[in-house]
Amino acid sequence: EIVLTQSPATLSLSPGERVTLSCRASQSVNRDLVWYQQRPGQGPRLLIYGASNRATGIPARFSGSGSGTDFTLTISSLEPEDFGIYYCQHHTKWPLTFGGGTKVEIK
Amino acid sequence: EVQLLESGGGLEQPGGSLRVSCAASGFIFSNFGMSWVRQAPGKGLEWVSAISGSGGRTYYADSVKGRFTISRDNARNTLYLEMNSLRADDTAVYYCATHVDGAAYFPHWGQGTLVIASS
Repeated sequence: EIVLTQSPATLSLSPGERVTLSCRASQSVNRDLVWYQQRPGQGPRLLIYGASNRATGIPARFSGSGSGTDFTLTISSLEPEDFGIYYCQHHTKWPLTFGGGTKVEIK
Repeated sequence: EVQLLESGGGLEQPGGSLRVSCAASGFIFSNFGMSWVRQAPGKGLEWVSAISGSGGRTYYADSVKGRFTISRDNARNTLYLEMNSLRADDTAVYYCATHVDGAAYFPHWGQGTLVIASS
């Protein structure tokens, strides 16, 4: 199975700051990589698909990049509603796997 | 509007069985693959199982293979997960989620149903 490693585990930031989250795959997933946001008490929300395409209704401050084994999710300027946990997931082959998540918390 | 509503969660003893359901609406159910994803308390997301739109192909995580069975009733727009030989580490919120056309990632999620395997 493909292991996805996210870093860092936790980020403490202030509103307005730029955020860069990393997801590394144990083998190539091409661009079959998506990102989700999960706010406390809620289900996940799709943010990015195909490594760099924003899902419907996702603000332009969210962007994704990468291919192969190294991927990045960037939030250009943190808004209060952006605090939560971010997960990457590959869908290049079975089994599907998620990364362990990065928690973005208020400093 | 796509809606997914899970039900059937609850408390079951280790070794027991439980079936959770997901009622879907707002899209042509039979056209899309579906998955179950779970989240243990305070932990991350874990993909559990998937099924093709026709129901002819199924996939499982190693952690549940041989114990869980995914199925669907396209006439009733409902997805199921039959869970047997439950273990304490199966305790989690179980989400159903739609696939996109041709790829197994999840644009739509239900609100989840909590399964607790405990004596």
